[in-house]
Amino acid sequence: DAGITQSPRHKVTETGTPVTLRCHQTENHRYMYWYRQDPGHGLRLIHYSYGVKDTDKGEVSDGYSVSRSKTEDFLLTLESATSSQTSVYFCAIFQETYGYTFGSGTRLTVV
Amino acid sequence: EDQVTQSPEALRLQEGESSSLNCSYTVSGLRGLFWYRQDPGKGPEFLFTLYSAGEEKEKERLKATLTKKESFLHITAPKPEDSATYLCAVQDFPGSGTYKYIFGTGTRLKVLA
Repeated sequence: DAGITQSPRHKVTETGTPVTLRCHQTENHRYMYWYRQDPGHGLRLIHYSYGVKDTDKGEVSDGYSVSRSKTEDFLLTLESATSSQTSVYFCAIFQETYGYTFGSGTRLTVV
Repeated sequence: EDQVTQSPEALRLQEGESSSLNCSYTVSGLRGLFWYRQDPGKGPEFLFTLYSAGEEKEKERLKATLTKKESFLHITAPKPEDSATYLCAVQDFPGSGTYKYIFGTGTRLKVLA
């Protein structure tokens, strides 16, 4: 068990407000990822990190930023939330043989 | 264009009625194909990794197989607790840069008692 905890589990926010989602892992994995999951789409990569302060963009990074100041924490920020960012967000780590291990997700609703 | 397509989108089976889920892919350089199970309100959970055509993996009532163009997840004598969404994902190495990881949209399986 990679011990991935996401918070909050659910959030409703208003359009235009900033929102930060948190991912915490307990096993010192170097790589961490943020994905979003929407009906009709496969999981899509937003951003990933390959170490403290080392991050890079995924395929759907517009409107999102990330930070990683400690190995165990990876934060995803929606700078100014829009309705198109209503989604379920998953944090994950990757292990070569086992693929991704995901957290339980954050369901975000932007109204 | 790299693509992963799963079919059917949804499947209803009677308990004990065996069937197969399909994952077809078009990628530059297959590094691995992964199957996951996702229950409502949870993150996907790893089931299998397949690396080369002809490879098979089994776990309880599930067996995953791989060809050069597709993978099948065979479910033998399913039970209601097998109801979930099954996702496949392909790890693609296009020859330069980093690996790409492409998810399918999943098959929602419902097994009726």
